[in-house]
Amino acid sequence: DVKVTQSSRYLVKRTGEKVFLECVQDMDHENMFWYRQDPGLGLRLIYFSYDVKMKEKGDIPEGYSVSREKKERFSLILESASTNQTSMYLCASSVPRDPNTEAFFGQGTRLTVV
Amino acid sequence: AQKITQTQPGMFVQEKEAVTLDCTYDTSDPSYGLFWYKQPSSGEMIFLIYQGSYDQQNATEGRYSLNFQKARKSANLVISASQLGDSAMYFCAMREFDRGSTLGRLYFGRGTQLTVWP
Repeated sequence: DVKVTQSSRYLVKRTGEKVFLECVQDMDHENMFWYRQDPGLGLRLIYFSYDVKMKEKGDIPEGYSVSREKKERFSLILESASTNQTSMYLCASSVPRDPNTEAFFGQGTRLTVV
Repeated sequence: AQKITQTQPGMFVQEKEAVTLDCTYDTSDPSYGLFWYKQPSSGEMIFLIYQGSYDQQNATEGRYSLNFQKARKSANLVISASQLGDSAMYFCAMREFDRGSTLGRLYFGRGTQLTVWP
């Protein structure tokens, strides 16, 4: 059974804290993604990575950074958490340039910044 | 401009009836894929169905079918014989493949909240 695993389902952090969201996939996928989901806005891409140590900004990268030191792991970092980063965060992975395969998602992390 | 547009924030359907969830997309690439995902209240994203831009026939997966109208750039999801467990958020998404990028990122719509009532 293929899996994308996010380290936490629920997380509460204080304003100004540095926050790490971890994502691990066991499918040997090259592509990994971090999305943010807010009511009425759908899923918005924060960052993606197409190889180890490679990353690209998505549509809303401000206030975030990422790290991909190993193929299976993609970390999202909130450098200094703010209340407007309270949201649901979804990690996904996929093979590149294959139109017939879907992206696989983790279970999501609901982050609350107080 | 929005790549994926879902115009129905919420839909209601009675159990055992069919329901259509609308999705239109915007791309100039000839090669792309269209996806539908279901997200129950628990939060996980469940892949439902896929349609490739070169597929001649509409995709079907059990009770799910995708009404693909390429000229209109629409990819509506049809759920037949709705069940109470179908109540969830549904997202339409698209991947483009001819933009010189190896990434194949997914663009999502804003979602449609489907409620099935007894």
